[in-house]
Amino acid sequence: NAGVTQTPKFQVLKTGQSMTLQCAQDMNHNSMYWYRQDPGMGLRLIYYSASEGTTDKGEVPNGYNVSRLNKREFSLRLESAAPSQTSVYFCASTVGSGNTEAFFGQGTRLTVV
Amino acid sequence: RKEVEQDPGPFNVPEGATVAFNCTYSNSASQSFFWYRQDCRKEPKLLMSVYSSGNEDGRFTAQLNRASQYISLLIRDSKLSDSATYLCVVKGSSASKIIFGSGTRLSIRP
Repeated sequence: NAGVTQTPKFQVLKTGQSMTLQCAQDMNHNSMYWYRQDPGMGLRLIYYSASEGTTDKGEVPNGYNVSRLNKREFSLRLESAAPSQTSVYFCASTVGSGNTEAFFGQGTRLTVV
Repeated sequence: RKEVEQDPGPFNVPEGATVAFNCTYSNSASQSFFWYRQDCRKEPKLLMSVYSSGNEDGRFTAQLNRASQYISLLIRDSKLSDSATYLCVVKGSSASKIIFGSGTRLSIRP
C-alpha cells in the first residue's frame, strides 16, 4: 500500500548544486503536485500537473522545473540550488476532477548551505 | 493577496473546550473545499471535505458560505490528540489547482 513515494527523504546541497526530487504514485491518479513548506507556514504550490503531458506553474515556480515523466511519476528539479530553497518539499496526487482527496508523500527535507 | 487566508493562531485551549477556525478565499470560482490536519514534521492528511450544506463528522463541523467566500471548522469537546495544525484547502478554478492556507496551530492543554 505505497500510495505516494518521495525520494530522497533528506538531502543537503551546496549552493549552486543541482538535484532532482522524485515522486511516484501507484493509485492511478491523474493529477500531481509539488509543494514547499517553510517553518511555521502552510504549503505553497510550486508546480502541478493536471494530467499526463501537462504541467502548470503554481504560486512559487521560480528556481524550479518539473517533468511529468508518465502517469505515475512527477519530478522536481533544482538547477542551481540557493539557500532560499531550504524547505520541506511535499509531493501529492489526486484523481483530478471533483471533490477528491489529495494524498501526500512523506516529504523531502532539503537544506542548501 | 493570498488566495486562501487563515487566522494563524496559535490557539491554546483546555481539554473539552470548543474551538473554531476561519478561512477566507479570494477566487469566487473555486469549486471544492477541505480541511486538512498536519502533525509536527508529518505530511498533511484529509480531515474532512466541506460541502455547501455544511457537514459534520463526530466532534467536527465544517461550514461553507459561498456568498462571503468563507469556510469554518468547529471542534467540540476538544481532546489532547486534536493538537495539530489545521489547513484550509481550496481547489481553484483551473483544472486541479489546489491551494493551501498558511494553517492554524492548535494546542490542547490538560
